[in-house]
Amino acid sequence: GQQVQQSPASLVLQEGENAELQCNFSTSLNSMQWFYQRPGGSLVSLFYNPSGTKQSGRLTSTTVIKERRSSLHISSSQTTDSGTYLCAMGMGYKLTFGTGTSLLVDP
Amino acid sequence: EAAVTQSPRNKVAVTGGKVTLSCNQTNNHNNMYWYRQDTGHGLRLIHYSYGAGSTEKGDIPDGYKASRPSQENFSLILELATPSQTSVYFCASGDPAGASNSDYTFGSGTRLLVI
Repeated sequence: GQQVQQSPASLVLQEGENAELQCNFSTSLNSMQWFYQRPGGSLVSLFYNPSGTKQSGRLTSTTVIKERRSSLHISSSQTTDSGTYLCAMGMGYKLTFGTGTSLLVDP
Repeated sequence: EAAVTQSPRNKVAVTGGKVTLSCNQTNNHNNMYWYRQDTGHGLRLIHYSYGAGSTEKGDIPDGYKASRPSQENFSLILELATPSQTSVYFCASGDPAGASNSDYTFGSGTRLLVI
């Protein structure tokens, strides 16, 4: 079965609203990361967050290893936040990705 | 600026033909990876490499070979392309996933259509 589950699969926001994206892991892991994928484009690393809480601007990532989950909070969303957000768990030398959350922020 | 460059950006291949996707990195990372991305599956690991001369099977290696002739270059080879290999392929370079400060850089992707 899927080792990394992301929810929701898709989300539509009005500009200015907040969003909470979830990632759950079925196995123990060494680390986890969040990536942002531009529509039709490449992936950009947002957070390497194996545990605890990290913040970068309007983005906050919280990982609770013991509960095998991580979340990404986007505050005061902007249209430029639209795209796909992927979480990935690290085990050894490789990352295993979730299927992503597709976010659309309307003006 | 450190980067991962893939070529070609788009490719149309015929069934049964040979396809080579190329990847070059200037990050000086030891590890390089090839993923494919399909709707409903996310990114899945095909092959990866620890350094020049090494290739390892990922989660879905069947139908693919890889080559790492140097630190900078990592190729993905489809000896006999099939329509099921139509996908978007991403190359990445990075520190080990378990490192304290993981650093992953992805290329822009190659869209492959096998007809």
